[in-house]
Amino acid sequence: ETGVTQTPRHLVMGMTNKKSLKCEQHLGHNAMYWYKQSAKKPLELMFVYSLEERVENNSVPSRFSPECPNSSHLFLHLHTLQPEDSALYLCASSQDLAKNIQYFGAGTRLSVL
Amino acid sequence: AQSVTQLGSHVSVSEGALVLLRCNYSSSVPPYLFWYVQYPNQGLQLLLKYTSAATLVKGINGFEAEFKKSETSFHLTKPSAHMSDAAEYFCAVSESGGSNYKLTFGKGTLLTVNP
Repeated sequence: ETGVTQTPRHLVMGMTNKKSLKCEQHLGHNAMYWYKQSAKKPLELMFVYSLEERVENNSVPSRFSPECPNSSHLFLHLHTLQPEDSALYLCASSQDLAKNIQYFGAGTRLSVL
Repeated sequence: AQSVTQLGSHVSVSEGALVLLRCNYSSSVPPYLFWYVQYPNQGLQLLLKYTSAATLVKGINGFEAEFKKSETSFHLTKPSAHMSDAAEYFCAVSESGGSNYKLTFGKGTLLTVNP
């Protein structure tokens, strides 16, 4: 049973839709991460939050908008996406930024039509 | 910036055979090194982590990895493959210093175990 839960597990959206991905961690961690996993490519770090403050934005297009209302929840708001944004989006958490063992959720499989 | 190379995007072994998954990194400073496993439709799960305490690191499910600084390698091994080991395996390296939360992942190696 993972301590990091992501919803929904699957999402299909059109290029004009607005949707949100949700991540919740039950581990008492202070740092949370969004990654993009595309076929045949390494995981790409998108955003990092520590104590609800964004500490990393890895040149991610503005059509992806993260939100961290508290240390247990992380959202990724999506709007006007492109087909090349179709991927598995993984959320992870760690105790803090110094403790770099990251615990991953099962991901949201996103398809942009 | 760090980089990680995993040799072989797909490795196939017979059940009971040795598993060897290769990982090389580029760094002038010994970093933290990780192996993660991803089972179908699941997130990544930590197998083991190198922290400079010992060059041979034992992980879960019978896996271990050996850090070789001279070869900048961190290969993952398991003496005897089990059907349940079929999954994708990712090697990762952290940045040094205050950015060690940033992990650079390899492209992954898909392990197939044949009966």
